[in-house]
Amino acid sequence: AQKVTQAQTEISVVEKEDVTLDCVYETRDTTYYLFWYKQPPSGELVFLIRRNSFDEQNEISGRYSWNFQKSTSSFNFTITASQVVDSAVYFCALSERKTSYDKVIFGPGTSLSVIP
Amino acid sequence: SQTIHQWPATLVQPVGSPLSLECTVEGTSNPNLYWYRQAAGRGLQLLFYSVGIGQISSEVPQNLSASRPQDRQFILSSKKLLLSDSGFYLCAWSPPANYEQYFGPGTRLTVT
Repeated sequence: AQKVTQAQTEISVVEKEDVTLDCVYETRDTTYYLFWYKQPPSGELVFLIRRNSFDEQNEISGRYSWNFQKSTSSFNFTITASQVVDSAVYFCALSERKTSYDKVIFGPGTSLSVIP
Repeated sequence: SQTIHQWPATLVQPVGSPLSLECTVEGTSNPNLYWYRQAAGRGLQLLFYSVGIGQISSEVPQNLSASRPQDRQFILSSKKLLLSDSGFYLCAWSPPANYEQYFGPGTRLTVT
């Protein structure tokens, strides 16, 4: 069965530190997508990135970077030089294609607090 | 560009009262639509999804129902709320041929 594990429940860092959020997934599908979402205190989930199972290239977007390793079934997210605005709950997610829709399985989330 | 709206933003309802939460999407056609609930503790639970008008599928049995009367409108309802229905309700949409889902601002429901 598909599953997403985010072992870090809560993380606190001091502003400007780098922080890595871990994500480990399980799936039997050969084609799947992985995502990261950010949920700030306002509550709305903000889509950050999608990665498909055939593309293991790491990606960098500003201070954000993602490391996808199929061999270890991990899709980790690193924030460089963290800022207070990065404080949020971050969800890793895995999608499987059903017959007519995409079921997204979310991890339990990691709450990140960036302390000024 | 596409936008997704939810209302109301917050709601306090007594046990046993009815519920109607609405979600609308703009700027796209024939989206897949989803209702999620997020209870305290952060986990997201998929409640319903819809791939077209009048087509609703339920992921978990519960006190809630959903309807899709128009292509870009998705409604979550209950005839009689339970205390356990309290939570943060999120509507999401995705294009039929894409995978990521885009979420609305959510409705915070408190059943008293």
